[in-house]
Amino acid sequence: DADVTQTPRNRITKTGKRIMLECSQTKGHDRMYWYRQDPGLGLRLIYYSFDVKDINKGEISDGYSVSRQAQAKFSLSLESAIPNQTALYFCATSDALLSTDTQYFGPGTRLTVL
Amino acid sequence: GEDVEQSLFLSVREGDSSVINCTYTDSSSTYLYWYKQEPGAGLQLLTYIFSNMDMKQDQRLTVLLNKKDKHLSLRIADTQTGDSAIYFCAESRANDMRFGAGTRLTVKP
Repeated sequence: DADVTQTPRNRITKTGKRIMLECSQTKGHDRMYWYRQDPGLGLRLIYYSFDVKDINKGEISDGYSVSRQAQAKFSLSLESAIPNQTALYFCATSDALLSTDTQYFGPGTRLTVL
Repeated sequence: GEDVEQSLFLSVREGDSSVINCTYTDSSSTYLYWYKQEPGAGLQLLTYIFSNMDMKQDQRLTVLLNKKDKHLSLRIADTQTGDSAIYFCAESRANDMRFGAGTRLTVKP
């Protein structure tokens, strides 16, 4: 079974709609992250959380919000989706006790905003 | 612009060596990483190197680090068709990690 899961795997929505992407992990890690991937731009960090209720903005947080109500869950919301938020979204986790800070990624959610 | 830079494409023949290059800008990065992304999947850690090392070898993978030039490379020996994927270089920072745009490696039979 996958350690980091994301739902849904694919989503098509319309401009102006509110949507939520979910991430769950069974690794017991404290740290969780949300990235978006765009062709030719690599991964860019949206938000990250080092513990329950701890929320930090990443490189491109405008237009997004997150919620970390439990250690195992980190959700990403688009309050009013716009077409340039069409991208592949990845959740990741890492163990705060490890100095290497290796991140473990979910399978991704492909979001299309029409 | 990109903090971590990589060329976008590399094509090699099966059995040859592949070398993927990366430059980074934060000299205080403690660890540098190589991740692999196969089609339809998330990123998986391939290997990492601590910033006080020059080289790390792990089976077919060799990582070289030149701290003076802020240059990192990944060499894959005896490249196989299963190595076809996107390879991301990443550097650790105080609170986050920065990724390059990814190099798409194509292995031709």
